[in-house]
Amino acid sequence: DAGVTQSPTHLIKTRGQQVTLRCSPKSGHDTVSWYQQALGQGPQFIFQYYEEEERQRGNFPDRFSGHQFPNYSSELNVNALLLGDSALYLCASSLRGWDRRFQPQHFGDGTRLSIL
Amino acid sequence: RKEVEQDPGPFNVPEGATVAFNCTYSNSASQSFFWYRQDCRKEPKLLMSVYSSGNEDGRFTAQLNRASQYISLLIRDSKLSDSATYLCVGYGGSQGNLIFGKGTKLSVKP
Repeated sequence: DAGVTQSPTHLIKTRGQQVTLRCSPKSGHDTVSWYQQALGQGPQFIFQYYEEEERQRGNFPDRFSGHQFPNYSSELNVNALLLGDSALYLCASSLRGWDRRFQPQHFGDGTRLSIL
Repeated sequence: RKEVEQDPGPFNVPEGATVAFNCTYSNSASQSFFWYRQDCRKEPKLLMSVYSSGNEDGRFTAQLNRASQYISLLIRDSKLSDSATYLCVGYGGSQGNLIFGKGTKLSVKP
């Protein structure tokens, strides 16, 4: 049973560049959420995708955008990278049918993004 | 007040000790609660959901006190393998999403 998979594992970019991160949800899951985790902090919610649409969004600027594909996999795009975007980016998947308040989210290993 | 607050620690305890973490939450993060565990440079993994009546899973016990707006996690008979960061998580927010605390670091020593 495949868990949540993310790629790439590590990435180094420079300021102003653009980046795309990828996520495949756990088998049987249809909802993907993205989080940003800075060093020493807890994960911060970026947005959530279900049925190929962005359903919820946290307090992140429009430079952060995403996409979900028919096979439920998802991409996170960040434009005009800033030094402050350096963080671990986590993807989590869940099953929409559950009461969202009680559904556990399963996390991938994350992509560690460094901005120089 | 931050939505979910935790003491960052670190908590340094000997093997076999009992350790407790508390976490406070605001009204915006109060629909449901979880404890996640995160090892260094790894992803968070669900440890326990927190039910209103409190719940136990082996050496781990979670309690919810809605009157005082705090959640606790008790670990009995600590093992070296319990060393990790423990993340307190609420569900809520204006978007209905998971809201994480900064985490409490636990180090269990021989």
